[in-house]
Amino acid sequence: AQTVTQSQPEMSVQEAETVTLSCTYDTSESDYYLFWYKQPPSRQMILVIRQEAYKQQNATENRFSVNFQKAAKSFSLKISDSQLGDAAMYFCAYGGVQGAQKLVFGQGTRLTINP
Amino acid sequence: DVKVTQSSRYLVKRTGEKVFLECVQDMDHENMFWYRQDPGLGLRLIYFSYDVKMKEKGDIPEGYSVSREKKERFSLILESASTNQTSMYLCASSHSFDRISYEQYFGPGTRLTVT
Repeated sequence: AQTVTQSQPEMSVQEAETVTLSCTYDTSESDYYLFWYKQPPSRQMILVIRQEAYKQQNATENRFSVNFQKAAKSFSLKISDSQLGDAAMYFCAYGGVQGAQKLVFGQGTRLTINP
Repeated sequence: DVKVTQSSRYLVKRTGEKVFLECVQDMDHENMFWYRQDPGLGLRLIYFSYDVKMKEKGDIPEGYSVSREKKERFSLILESASTNQTSMYLCASSHSFDRISYEQYFGPGTRLTVT
């Protein structure tokens, strides 16, 4: 079974600085998807960024980018120019193409932005 | 915009009560999911459904059942609520056979307390 591990329960960063959230996963599949979801204090979970395993290029979405290391099974999220609105729980998730689109989530990292 | 709604934001029930959590999505999604979210454990899949009247157990189905009589609605049932079912419950939906998207859309969550 696939597992996803986020080893940082909490992180904090100064506003306008850059922060990196870590995620590792374990799988025997070669084709899969990886996601970072954000859950702000209002609790509605939203997708931040998606990476397809067959793509070597790291995904980017404005201030959010990932460092995808397939051999190391690592998928970190970098947030540049942190803003107060980035404060949230961040979840890393794995989706295997064999798994009926089920997602396996990590434990979450709570990100605090210090003004 | 995709909308996933859940019947209650907060719910307090007594031990032994039968509890219904309702989830409705308005995007004609085939897949629907129920998760529970607990601190330090992330999101864990309880049940999912890939079609009307079709369901499959997730990772932690014990003590729960589900019903999907209509495509847009997916209900989670706690037959006899227990205190260890106190948690945040999240519903999600997604399109099927959509390798491009693969994104799950989440409801706002229901905070259930069983006393």
